[in-house]
Amino acid sequence: GENVEQHPSTLSVQEGDSAVIKCTYSDSASNYFPWYKQELGKRPQLIIDIRSNVGEKKDQRIAVTLNKTAKHFSLHITETQPEDSAVYFCAASTGFQKLVFGTGTRLLVSP
Amino acid sequence: DTEVTQTPKHLVMGMTNKKSLKCEQHMGHRAMYWYKQKAKKPPELMFVYSYEKLSINESVPSRFSPECPNSSLLNLHLHALQPEDSALYLCASSPITKPGLAGDEQYFGPGTRLTVT
Repeated sequence: GENVEQHPSTLSVQEGDSAVIKCTYSDSASNYFPWYKQELGKRPQLIIDIRSNVGEKKDQRIAVTLNKTAKHFSLHITETQPEDSAVYFCAASTGFQKLVFGTGTRLLVSP
Repeated sequence: DTEVTQTPKHLVMGMTNKKSLKCEQHMGHRAMYWYKQKAKKPPELMFVYSYEKLSINESVPSRFSPECPNSSLLNLHLHALQPEDSALYLCASSPITKPGLAGDEQYFGPGTRLTVT
């Protein structure tokens, strides 16, 4: 089955810096890659996603890139703000309504 | 309505109790999910319902019993749980745009924090 690895497990940046979180997946049939943000005590919130027919997608300060050949995808956050502090999960899906999550990255943005 | 709702928010139950968790969505989504999340871990898939039929059971113990009465509602019946079952139980829903072919965006409810004593 699919396996998703996520790095780093913890990331500390200064406000205004960029943050990059990387994930690799094992199943070449995976075709959908969402990213979720989960604040302490809150629900996972879908922040951006990308499908296998697209190499990059942007939404304001966040972007996701996908390299199908290398089987990895990354989340990029520019101009980080303290409210970006949260745990971020990547995930991959081959369809059939099944998501496999990465282990999570705790992002801390210091003012 | 663009949210998934869950009740109760918190639940404390003994190992001999029977309780139920409820989930509701009115986004017209035809897939609904139960996940279990332990502290500092990712959500772990338990069950998937597609078109009100159970399509995935991730080898969950029978003390957890899901039910999908209609396309908007999802229940999780709990009986004879163990302390290690204490966790945040998340419900999610998603559209099914290409059945069996493509992953679809899943939207999570706020969860029920369950404590088994």
